[in-house]
Amino acid sequence: DQQVKQNSPSLSVQEGRISILNCDYTNSMFDYFLWYKKYPAEGPTFLISISSIKDKNEDGRFTVFLNKSAKHLSLHIVPSQPGDSAVYFCAARDGGATNKLIFGTGTLLAVQP
Amino acid sequence: EAGVVQSPRYKIIEKKQPVAFWCNPISGHNTLYWYLQNLGQGPELLIRYENEEAVDDSQLPKDRFSAERLKGVDSTLKIQPAELGDSAVYLCASSSQGTSAVQFFGPGTRLTVL
Repeated sequence: DQQVKQNSPSLSVQEGRISILNCDYTNSMFDYFLWYKKYPAEGPTFLISISSIKDKNEDGRFTVFLNKSAKHLSLHIVPSQPGDSAVYFCAARDGGATNKLIFGTGTLLAVQP
Repeated sequence: EAGVVQSPRYKIIEKKQPVAFWCNPISGHNTLYWYLQNLGQGPELLIRYENEEAVDDSQLPKDRFSAERLKGVDSTLKIQPAELGDSAVYLCASSSQGTSAVQFFGPGTRLTVL
């Protein structure tokens, strides 16, 4: 069973507009959520994270929102730039000391110039 | 600061042959992870090391996969014998000790089994 789901395989937005990537999870014991960005032939690169005790975290153009009651998080990129085109993975930590990350299947973002 | 280093970047072998992947984590990172990423999927944990000790290897197929981290720094993941279904990207990641959840990934090794 997929504990972390990214239901949109792909997303296309215009340069300068907002990109919204979504992620749903099923395990209420997840205590930390992360977004990674991945370019072709490279490993995932850490982007931004949020603790389960918060509902928002912002870093420059990137903001992550967490809705615990809905078990949903989203990544907002404003404004979107062509260099943001990549696969974005949502990941959740299973809590406690294991530090095990459960990844979603990724969303391919294409930012059109 | 140097990132996680992996080699080789690409490997093509025939089925039933052995193969090994090498990883050097970020300096000072005590925790090392090996992940498997199939096409169109997210990374899946194979094994996690705290220093030299494998503390989570529940997802490692132990009949053909093995891993070691003898001196608590670099690590090797081996497959013997390889099967067609092992074709994937093998990622290594590392993190600092404590409650940090952020794992830093290497570029991965793309394995093709013919």
